[in-house]
Amino acid sequence: GAVVSQHPSRVICKSGTSVKIECRSLDFQATTMFWYRQFPKQSLMLMATSNEGSKATYEQGVEKDKFLINHASLTLSTLTVTSAHPEDSSFYICSARDGGEGGEGPQETQYFGPGTRLLVL
Amino acid sequence: GQNIDQPTEMTATEGAIVQINCTYQTSGFNGLFWYQQHAGEAPTFLSYNVLDGLEEKGRFSSFLSRSKGYSYLLLKELQMKDSASYLCAALDSNYQLIWGAGTKLIIKP
Repeated sequence: GAVVSQHPSRVICKSGTSVKIECRSLDFQATTMFWYRQFPKQSLMLMATSNEGSKATYEQGVEKDKFLINHASLTLSTLTVTSAHPEDSSFYICSARDGGEGGEGPQETQYFGPGTRLLVL
Repeated sequence: GQNIDQPTEMTATEGAIVQINCTYQTSGFNGLFWYQQHAGEAPTFLSYNVLDGLEEKGRFSSFLSRSKGYSYLLLKELQMKDSASYLCAALDSNYQLIWGAGTKLIIKP
């Protein structure tokens, strides 16, 4: 249990375009999802916390107008990188918290999607 | 402030035992997680400790001392596939995960 999928796994786009990344919890309902980015050889950096049916909470320094998050259902959250620039190139990873008992860990455990590697040219 | 410290890199030999330490300072504490992350992949859940003591799960064990703000992950009978980064993360009073920078574990034959 507690499987999270993410799509696409890899995307290359031109500077100035927008990219949408989907995160789905496949076998559980996730009231809370998280979006991270990770640069090579660095740790995870939390970008925002997304709760179903409400606005996302962004971490300090993360532009909410640039990184649009929509958590429209209990199994789907999307991250749209608007007007992408080369400095936005990174590994974007979502995670979901299973409030039930479907996963291995406690209800606070975050289960991660496989990640999306974004390259902006 | 809130802080997680763990070594940047460790090297061990196949078949041996390695202990990865983690110290934490958080506003409140609701448990400590260990995740494994292979290069280019997302983290996967390994263990969770909220009470003092040792939790054993196969070749991996995790220990917690709340009074010392200290945890370790113990890996036994190391295999080449254990080469990965190991992330320590503490859950604070707001149930937010505070992440360490990760320890890159290199296994040599």
